[in-house]
Amino acid sequence: AQSVAQPEDQVNVAEGNPLTVKCTYSVSGNPYLFWYVQYPNRGLQFLLKYITGDNLVKGSYGFEAEFNKSQTSFHLKKPSALVSDSALYFCAVRDSRDSSYKLIFGSGTRLLVRP
Amino acid sequence: DAEITQSPRHKITETGRQVTLACHQTWNHNNMFWYRQDLGHGLRLIHYSYGVQDTNKGEVSDGYSVSRSNTEDLPLTLESAASSQTSVYFCASSVDRNTDTQYFGPGTRLTVL
Repeated sequence: AQSVAQPEDQVNVAEGNPLTVKCTYSVSGNPYLFWYVQYPNRGLQFLLKYITGDNLVKGSYGFEAEFNKSQTSFHLKKPSALVSDSALYFCAVRDSRDSSYKLIFGSGTRLLVRP
Repeated sequence: DAEITQSPRHKITETGRQVTLACHQTWNHNNMFWYRQDLGHGLRLIHYSYGVQDTNKGEVSDGYSVSRSNTEDLPLTLESAASSQTSVYFCASSVDRNTDTQYFGPGTRLTVL
């Protein structure tokens, strides 16, 4: 069965410092991986995805993520955090062998960037 | 601009009542999804549809139903609302079920008293 884990409920970082939000996954086939961000009282916004190809994926707002097959991870990164990056971040995965095409979401990680 | 809307944005109802949450998208996407969001659980899939007259159960479908009579709408019905169904509900749509970039509505906060 496919699953995704976000091991940190909250990540705290100072503005200007690099940030990392962790995500690991488990699938039987090839993973299709996604990051979404949710601001207060808003729906989820798509940030980036990995389907195939280059392991380093660049997305919106200066975010990037690195696909690591051996560690089954897809960590979200940004070189220099902004206070406005404070939000709830969700990792999601789909198994290429899953004929239902369903996305499985992690439980979310709250990012707090302090001035 | 094309978009996905949900209504109402907030709803308070009583246990046992039937409630319908609306979802409307103007992207002409074939694929539509309903999720609920609860603390500690992230988003959990309730029902989904890959086209008109197609509906499928997700991981938490008990007590919910959907119908897809046209491309634009996927209403979610709580047949007999329960307090355990107090949650925030999100609708999403996507054009390509394989690469699955889903686009989300603003959400409906439902409280069942």
